[in-house]
Amino acid sequence: AQSVTQLDSHVSVSEGTPVLLRCNYSSSYSPSLFWYVQHPNKGLQLLLKYTSAATLVKGINGFEAEFKKSETSFHLTKPSAHMSDAAEYFCVVSRNAGGTSYGKLTFGQGTILTVHP
Amino acid sequence: EAQVTQNPRYLITVTGKKLTVTCSQNMNHEYMSWYRQDPGLGLRQIYYSMNVEVTDKGDVPEGYKVSRKEKRNFPLILESPSPNQTSLYFCASSLSASYAYEQYFGPGTRLTVT
Repeated sequence: AQSVTQLDSHVSVSEGTPVLLRCNYSSSYSPSLFWYVQHPNKGLQLLLKYTSAATLVKGINGFEAEFKKSETSFHLTKPSAHMSDAAEYFCVVSRNAGGTSYGKLTFGQGTILTVHP
Repeated sequence: EAQVTQNPRYLITVTGKKLTVTCSQNMNHEYMSWYRQDPGLGLRQIYYSMNVEVTDKGDVPEGYKVSRKEKRNFPLILESPSPNQTSLYFCASSLSASYAYEQYFGPGTRLTVT
């Protein structure tokens, strides 16, 4: 079984300050991990993904995430928040059960990021 | 433009009246999937399809049906909708079922069942 826990349901930052969105996962197998962003009334867009290559992953719009196996974490960061970053963010783990890739995704509950001027 | 389309985008219906939400992708993707999004629960997978005529249950399949007769289309069928199926639904596709591939999401269908 696998699961994803996003540790904060809401995060509020000021424009220009760093962003940290926390995600812990559990998986019986080596997972792939993703961060998706959902702007209001929009579909989901991929920010970045980890698939067992480099542990520090760079994504779009200045976001990056670090895969830490020992801590089972995949936190999302950005050095300086912009107003346009206000959205809901989902951490996602993809299952790879027993050597067969099923492509089933398990989503975290989401973190709403608010950016104040 | 590469995209996943869903129709309708908004739907209000009554309990028990059968409905279908269509999903189509123009990227020649093998893998397609349906999710529902509810506040505080993230997205939960309803059904997925590895390829034409190959479908399987996700985490919350009860009350839903799917079919995959063509590669590009993956409709979601609610035979007898109930109020607890009021939700925001997303269709997604990816190149293959491999866990390494990202999924591309449609714009969503907001369903209300009264």
